[in-house]
Amino acid sequence: SAVISQKPSRDICQRGTSLTIQCQVDSQVTMMFWYRQQPGQSLTLIATANQGSEATYESGFVIDKFPISRPNLTFSTLTVSNMSPEDSSIYLCSVVRAAYNEQFFGPGTRLTVL
Amino acid sequence: GQQLNQSPQSMFIQEGEDVSMNCTSSSIFNTWLWYKQDPGEGPVLLIALYKAGELTSNGRLTAQFGITRKDSFLNISASIPSDVGIYFCAGRKVETSGSRLTFGEGTQLTVNP
Repeated sequence: SAVISQKPSRDICQRGTSLTIQCQVDSQVTMMFWYRQQPGQSLTLIATANQGSEATYESGFVIDKFPISRPNLTFSTLTVSNMSPEDSSIYLCSVVRAAYNEQFFGPGTRLTVL
Repeated sequence: GQQLNQSPQSMFIQEGEDVSMNCTSSSIFNTWLWYKQDPGEGPVLLIALYKAGELTSNGRLTAQFGITRKDSFLNISASIPSDVGIYFCAGRKVETSGSRLTFGEGTQLTVNP
């Protein structure tokens, strides 16, 4: 399996501020994704992080609110911008490695917005 | 996005009992994955299924890829307290590009010692 780390593991933020979450993988991966998991809910895909180009966003998610970077094959960031209490969720980085077709998740970043 | 129909939503069982949960969809999937999520953690991959009819085991866990490619089940035998958690099924559609997964709503499992 892939070893995925996320920073920070949790944070409490004020309304109107922004938080950048980092995702680091221990090996090169073909695909990286960002998911959101609201309290008591299942996982919802935010976007696919594309290396060297703009991320591909799912319906209901926009780049201005969730800018994503992926400068190389092992690292990505997700920024939650202009936060409101409705953004309080767990944000999860996920990766797929070529030839395995298995998808792994990081430990998540638990965000609380006051 | 589209959700898989996962059932049951929750289960309360005694230690030692067997557990079964399943996922169904109106769409065909070419991959089924089962995950377990503990409180405060990310989902951990338990079993991956790639072919219709495939039956795969991982310790006390057994999962099957339905023949119709529209369903999958997960069985846990002789449950123990550490089996407590939320179990998610996830499917990858044949026509979906970019390897997007569709997730079930989850099954919350409680095991009473």
